[in-house]
Amino acid sequence: AQSVTQPDIHITVSEGASLELRCNYSYGATPYLFWYVQSPGQGLQLLLKYFSGDTLVQGIKGFEAEFKRSQSSFNLRKPSVHWSDAAEYFCAAAGRGSARQLTFGSGTQLTVLP
Amino acid sequence: GAVVSQHPSRVICKSGTSVKIECRSLDFQATTMFWYRQFPKQSLMLMATSNEGSKATYEQGVEKDKFLINHASLTLSTLTVTSAHPEDSSFYICSAPGSGGPTDTQYFGPGTRLTVL
Repeated sequence: AQSVTQPDIHITVSEGASLELRCNYSYGATPYLFWYVQSPGQGLQLLLKYFSGDTLVQGIKGFEAEFKRSQSSFNLRKPSVHWSDAAEYFCAAAGRGSARQLTFGSGTQLTVLP
Repeated sequence: GAVVSQHPSRVICKSGTSVKIECRSLDFQATTMFWYRQFPKQSLMLMATSNEGSKATYEQGVEKDKFLINHASLTLSTLTVTSAHPEDSSFYICSAPGSGGPTDTQYFGPGTRLTVL
């Protein structure tokens, strides 16, 4: 069965520190991959997506993610975290051919310490 | 970017009543919309695909008679939770894909918090 796994339920980092959120997927073929951020009272916002090509993807708000086929991973990174980055982060995948039906990971709650 | 709204943002109802949740695409048309359910500290689970002008497609295990979906126009989909019970309490989120084709971005509504007493 297709699945997306985010092993870290909760991560705490200090402001200014680097961040890496992990995501692994299990699909028959390499899926489309996404990272979304969810803040209270707001809809999920797309940070970045990977369809094909360059395996290092740049997104909004200074985020990037690297697709590693050998590890079935699509980890999200940010070199220097800001207090406003505190939120819930979801990794998602969709089968090739349509990005419309998303399978989400369980999410990682990010806390940023001053 | 495209905006999807949901109404209401939160609702509290008594057990046995029905609750309607609206999902609107504000500045674009959506022939398809998706409804998700999110439990606390858990992921979003796709419930159903709402299709304008035709019946919704429900995911396995989702009761179509309990969760009625109507896609009345190209900008509005509604989810009605019928005869709600406390176990239906959850966060319901809708999304709509942009009109750029199968790989276009999904735009999500802010969600509706349903509490059934």
